Amino acid sequence: AQTVTQSQPEMSVQEAETVTLSCTYDTSESDYYLFWYKQPPSRQMILVIRQEAYKQQNATENRFSVNFQKAAKSFSLKISDSQLGDAAMYFCAYSWSGAGSYQLTFGKGTKLSVIP
Amino acid sequence: SAVISQKPSRDICQRGTSLTIQCQVDSQVTMMFWYRQQPGQSLTLIATANQGSEATYESGFVIDKFPISRPNLTFSTLTVSNMSPEDSSIYLCSVGTGVYEQYFGPGTRLTVT
Repeated sequence: AQTVTQSQPEMSVQEAETVTLSCTYDTSESDYYLFWYKQPPSRQMILVIRQEAYKQQNATENRFSVNFQKAAKSFSLKISDSQLGDAAMYFCAYSWSGAGSYQLTFGKGTKLSVIP
Repeated sequence: SAVISQKPSRDICQRGTSLTIQCQVDSQVTMMFWYRQQPGQSLTLIATANQGSEATYESGFVIDKFPISRPNLTFSTLTVSNMSPEDSSIYLCSVGTGVYEQYFGPGTRLTVT
């Protein structure tokens, strides 16, 4: 079974600084997708960024970028120029393309605080 | 992406009663999902709801406790039956798009007293 591990229950960052959230996963599949979701106190789950396993290039969305290391099964999220609105729970998630069912497996989450 | 709404946004219910949560999408989607998020925890998939077929439940979740309907491609309901305080959670619906990503509704916060 696929598992997703986020080893940092809580992180903090100064406003305008950069922070990296860690995620590792376990799978025997070669074709899959990885995601980072953000959940602010409003509880709305927001898709931050997506990475296809077959792509070597790391995904980037504005201030958010990932470091995808397929061999190490590592998928970290870097947030640059942190803003107060970035404070939230961040969940790493895995989806196996071969299942055909789009199921997501989530990590336990990292709570990010942004210090003004 | 898709715009997803859920009703109610929150509710406080007495033990032994049932609550039906509605999920509405602004476009037709094949797959809809229901998740439970217990306080301070991550998301756990309850079931996958495909239009025109029975919902597929994950281990630990049964149809008698969490019956699901999926009458068309834009709507689904989840009922939490015979509630106990352990059912106090956030319940979220999501929809699957063509690239294996999911978009989530705003969630329903349920408190059972």
